[in-house]
Amino acid sequence: EAQVTQNPRYLITVTGKKLTVTCSQNMNHEYMSWYRQDPGLGLRQIYYSMNVEVTDKGDVPEGYKVSRKEKRNFPLILESPSPNQTSLYFCASLGASTDTQYFGPGTRLTVL
Amino acid sequence: QKEVEQNSGPLSVPEGAIASLNCTYSDRGSQSFFWYRQYSGKSPELIMSIYSNGDKEDGRFTAQLNKASQYVSLLIRDSQPSDSATYLCAVNWNFGNEKLTFGTGTRLTIIP
Repeated sequence: EAQVTQNPRYLITVTGKKLTVTCSQNMNHEYMSWYRQDPGLGLRQIYYSMNVEVTDKGDVPEGYKVSRKEKRNFPLILESPSPNQTSLYFCASLGASTDTQYFGPGTRLTVL
Repeated sequence: QKEVEQNSGPLSVPEGAIASLNCTYSDRGSQSFFWYRQYSGKSPELIMSIYSNGDKEDGRFTAQLNKASQYVSLLIRDSQPSDSATYLCAVNWNFGNEKLTFGTGTRLTIIP
């Protein structure tokens, strides 16, 4: 089954404690992306990657890092989380020959 | 700042009627346009993509694009209770689907 998986699905942490949210896709897609979704602000792109070792900033990259060492994985790293990063995070992937962006199930992050 | 505007709703439509969802965007040079549906607590899923002026139909859904007016809409015919969801308009400033800017979404409720 074609899918994008994210882990963890829920996470409560404290300010300053480094965390990583993993994202993996099994569709051999070149493109992957991270979004955050906040009430009243909609979905905003954090980072995206066009292929292995190729990443670029989206609209709200501050406070986040990403890496793309393998085609299937695109982890989101928060080096020093802050309460304003409390949000619902979605990973997405897209193949070169399709316009359907597949979203993962979401990770709800709370930073205290 | 490139912007995508949607009426947040809620929009209530009787079952069997036509639901009309609207979206405007700020960049006249935008090339590709998408409608996503998001059920409460779920991830977005692509309903329609449209790239050229005019109408594009897929089953009960019709996307309409008017680049001169910087306006894209989604019509849902014969609305069903299962259509109750938040509808997100997304715009890419280039061809393709990699770097999307989303509107904040319109919440649609179909009344049985």
